[in-house]
Amino acid sequence: GAVVSQHPSRVICKSGTSVKIECRSLDFQATTMFWYRQFPKQSLMLMATSNEGSKATYEQGVEKDKFLINHASLTLSTLTVTSAHPEDSSFYICSARDHGSGGVDWNNEQFFGPGTRLTVL
Amino acid sequence: SQKIEQNSEALNIQEGKTATLTCNYTNYSPAYLQWYRQDPGRGPVFLLLIRENEKEKRKERLKVTFDTTLKQSLFHITASQPADSATYLCAPRLPFGGGTRLMVKP
Repeated sequence: GAVVSQHPSRVICKSGTSVKIECRSLDFQATTMFWYRQFPKQSLMLMATSNEGSKATYEQGVEKDKFLINHASLTLSTLTVTSAHPEDSSFYICSARDHGSGGVDWNNEQFFGPGTRLTVL
Repeated sequence: SQKIEQNSEALNIQEGKTATLTCNYTNYSPAYLQWYRQDPGRGPVFLLLIRENEKEKRKERLKVTFDTTLKQSLFHITASQPADSATYLCAPRLPFGGGTRLMVKP
């Protein structure tokens, strides 16, 4: 099955620094990737939709200048948390859709990465 | 606004019983619904997808129904096991419902 990887799996950083998280589709091409954030015991919250070769679409309330998304290739999207603060500590998860040969939206499941645990001190 | 709702409270059942989780949607007509399982500290894993023209879909001990009249999908786990304990999420294309945490007691 399709595999999505994330790196790093866990990161601890000081307040004010920037952290980059990578999301890769290992055996398929993903024109669209999604970034989610999940706080303890809460559901996934969609942050943004990352489109290859174009600007990301951010959900309401998500600061695009703070959470920089780059989707430079069909297999890689990155999320950079700039000037991180303790309240940014969370579990960040990416997902990707395998559009396959038809790109039929209704037939696409999302494949999730294993997540990145960010702790800002 | 479009909304996906799942039972926010945890569901506790005895091993061997059938667990039934509910996903309701409003102001929305999804062409399909997907069900995922998420274990603590891990990303969700896809389980089943059911389309609007399908009444029921099965996979091993799992069964999903889709009632477009009631605007509801039900997710059943038969002969539940402690290993089935996890959070189960339903989702149309986007966004996810809140998820229901299932606890199966031996």
